Amino acid sequence: SAVISQKPSRDICQRGTSLTIQCQVDSQVTMMFWYRQQPGQSLTLIATANQGSEATYESGFVIDKFPISRPNLTFSTLTVSNMSPEDSSIYLCSVVLQGGGTQYFGPGTRLTVL
Amino acid sequence: GQSLEQPSEVTAVEGAIVQINCTYQTSGFYGLSWYQQHDGGAPTFLSYNALDGLEETGRFSSFLSRSDSYGYLLLQELQMKDSASYFCAVNSGGYQKVTFGTGTKLQVIP
Repeated sequence: SAVISQKPSRDICQRGTSLTIQCQVDSQVTMMFWYRQQPGQSLTLIATANQGSEATYESGFVIDKFPISRPNLTFSTLTVSNMSPEDSSIYLCSVVLQGGGTQYFGPGTRLTVL
Repeated sequence: GQSLEQPSEVTAVEGAIVQINCTYQTSGFYGLSWYQQHDGGAPTFLSYNALDGLEETGRFSSFLSRSDSYGYLLLQELQMKDSASYFCAVNSGGYQKVTFGTGTKLQVIP
């Protein structure tokens, strides 16, 4: 299994500002994933973060809005830029361990934009 | 594209058995996973089926039929703590990309 931590656990932000969410894993992983989950909804994949290369974004998500860094095999950040109330959501990072089909999730970051 | 359908809500009595169905349309299918999520918590892995058939893990079992693009999660001897949302998810793509279903909110009542 993997132990994943996220910072911050929650935040309340003003419209137009940016927030960077950190994700730390206790083991080295090739790929990390960032999801968004709006209240009462399913999880939507934002992007896949590969170490040493550009992140791969899903349809509807762009790098200018959600820049991602992946400086090493245990850490990643997601920035939510120029926030609006529609960005209010829970943001989760997850990893898949080598050879497995299981995703392990961090505790999530609950973001409220006013 | 990918799509997965589940019932939105299910209610069952403590001690009973409940089945949550999942139908999917996808390309590059590797397997079907199930996750549990309590309110305010992160999703946690329950089971994974890559091949047809039934996988049993304690009170929980999961079934897959690849030819029917269908699977289900079976929860036996329901407990109050099983009240949560349950998501099926398809593993596809060369890098373990996972697409989640719409989720089923299970309420266990006394």
